[in-house]
Amino acid sequence: DAGVTQSPTHLIKTRGQQVTLRCSPKSGHDTVSWYQQALGQGPQFIFQYYEEEERQRGNFPDRFSGHQFPNYSSELNVNALLLGDSALYLCASSLGGALFFGPGTRLTVL
Amino acid sequence: KQEVTQIPAALSVPEGENLVLNCSFTDSAIYNLQWFRQDPGKGLTSLLLIQSSQREQTSGRLNASLDKSSGRSTLYIAASQPGDSATYLCALKANQAGTALIFGKGTTLSVSS
Repeated sequence: DAGVTQSPTHLIKTRGQQVTLRCSPKSGHDTVSWYQQALGQGPQFIFQYYEEEERQRGNFPDRFSGHQFPNYSSELNVNALLLGDSALYLCASSLGGALFFGPGTRLTVL
Repeated sequence: KQEVTQIPAALSVPEGENLVLNCSFTDSAIYNLQWFRQDPGKGLTSLLLIQSSQREQTSGRLNASLDKSSGRSTLYIAASQPGDSATYLCALKANQAGTALIFGKGTTLSVSS
């Protein structure tokens, strides 16, 4: 079992650009959640996807959007990048219970 | 608004010492509480999960307790080892629906040999 996988590992973008991050859930898991972790902070909940729909959303602007595919994998899209979007983006999958986190994507916005 | 606080922010201990990490929260109406470990620049590994109806959970050298009425949880690590060096995060789930967890900022533990 490969667990939760995320790609890419690292990414560097400039302000105003758009970025797409990808997540493959743990085998058998149908729910994917995304979190943003700024340096020295705890992760903050962005949103959750289940059955290809956004089910729950944290306090993030509409620049943050997502998608879930029929195979349960997910994408996180961020438009009009700001310097403050620099963070570790964590994906977590679940099957109605505990969350299993991936290794994260480190996004740097210059 | 629920807030989660972890004290201390950093802790250094010699190998073999027993230690306690603290987590406090402002609203006692929680569904469950989890303790995670995070190695530098890496993802989160779940250590222990305590349901709101439980008082404690144990796994190996780790023991987590929960006191909802006082808004506190502790993670006890017995006989610490250098491999325990990491950041420990507590997170709570407010209700059964959804997957949103509210995290503290973590305690960074350093165990010296």
